[in-house]
Amino acid sequence: SQQGEEDPQALSIQEGENATMNCSYKTSINNLQWYRQNSGRGLVHLILIRSNEREKHSGRLRVTLDTSKKSSSLLITASRAADTASYFCATAMNRDDKIIFGKGTRLHILP
Amino acid sequence: EPEVTQTPSHQVTQMGQEVILRCVPISNHLYFYWYRQILGQKVEFLVSFYNNEISEKSEIFDDQFSVERPDGSNFTLKIRSTKLEDSAMYFCASSEGGGAETQYFGPGTRLLVL
Repeated sequence: SQQGEEDPQALSIQEGENATMNCSYKTSINNLQWYRQNSGRGLVHLILIRSNEREKHSGRLRVTLDTSKKSSSLLITASRAADTASYFCATAMNRDDKIIFGKGTRLHILP
Repeated sequence: EPEVTQTPSHQVTQMGQEVILRCVPISNHLYFYWYRQILGQKVEFLVSFYNNEISEKSEIFDDQFSVERPDGSNFTLKIRSTKLEDSAMYFCASSEGGGAETQYFGPGTRLLVL
């Protein structure tokens, strides 16, 4: 299975601190995507990183990809209360493939 | 900014009834997907659709499920005879270039089967 598995399952940090979430997967991939889901709501796409890329930035988000270790990390800098959500990594094995989601990390930003 | 829309936002139905969930993908996208998320669990792939046919389906997508693109804008998921375990949030997604590109998700339809 190419399923991504996030680590940790849950994370609580103080507002202003950085949050790091990790994702591991099992097979080679075309790309890896990170999504955010607020409680009971839809999925918001954050970043897509391709297998030939090592790092991408988008605002306060930084994603790294290590294909040799089959792992990715999502760093949120200077966290805010609005960052409280579940974060999922999702992998696509082939260009035309569906994406497979991990179980997610529940991030809680404490005021 | 273009977005994927889904209707209804909530649906309550009796076990054994048929439901149709509707989605309007982003207009220039070519790949369409349905996913579901049972409460508290991960998002699961159901089916992908490209060029007016199913390109891949999961083992969840059995004979009680069907998808259709009845016109140039809508993409529907039909569940013929709902079961209690079909209660979940159903998400439609679309992308320009398949799994190699970003999949944009709709807000979901929360289905409750009683």
